[in-house]
Amino acid sequence: SAVISQKPSRDICQRGTSLTIQCQVDSQVTMMFWYRQQPGQSLTLIATANQGSEATYESGFVIDKFPISRPNLTFSTLTVSNMSPEDSSIYLCSVLRQMNTEAFFGQGTRLTVV
Amino acid sequence: GNSVTQMEGPVTLSEEAFLTINCTYTATGYPSLFWYVQYPGEGLQLLLKATKADDKGSNKGFEATYRKETTSFHLEKGSVQVSDSAVYFCALSDGGSQGNLIFGKGTKLSVKP
Repeated sequence: SAVISQKPSRDICQRGTSLTIQCQVDSQVTMMFWYRQQPGQSLTLIATANQGSEATYESGFVIDKFPISRPNLTFSTLTVSNMSPEDSSIYLCSVLRQMNTEAFFGQGTRLTVV
Repeated sequence: GNSVTQMEGPVTLSEEAFLTINCTYTATGYPSLFWYVQYPGEGLQLLLKATKADDKGSNKGFEATYRKETTSFHLEKGSVQVSDSAVYFCALSDGGSQGNLIFGKGTKLSVKP
């Protein structure tokens, strides 16, 4: 298994500000992902965090709004920039140790933008 | 594009009742199918999976069979317990990797003693 520490677990933020969410894994993993779960909706993949290079974003998500870092094989951050109430969601980090193995998830960050 | 349609919740059952949560999918090719569970206050956990047609995934008394002819992967359990109360997510992966998952909306299950 993989133990994932995601911080903060929740936050209430003012519109126009930015929040950085951290994802720390207890051991090296091949792949790291960021998902969003909007109220009443399913989880949607935001991007794949690539170690040492720019993240790969899914359609509808852009780097300026959701900058992602992955400086090594155990850590990644997701920033939600210039927040609006529409960004209120749960954001989840997910990891794969290796391709075609079980995906593990962090507990999520519940973000409320007021 | 690929998608997952999952039974709307919430579902409330009495202990020892039979559970079915329906899940159907749309996908090109041959996706792998998964059920994830999220217990209160915890992260998503893989419950079971099936990687090809007619495979049956099972874990903790839960089962789901990959039905290509009906594009379904319904979750079943013969006798639920209070401890099964959680949110259940059906998901598919179309690229062979579990990383890029497409999820259903989730079904909240509450089991009453």
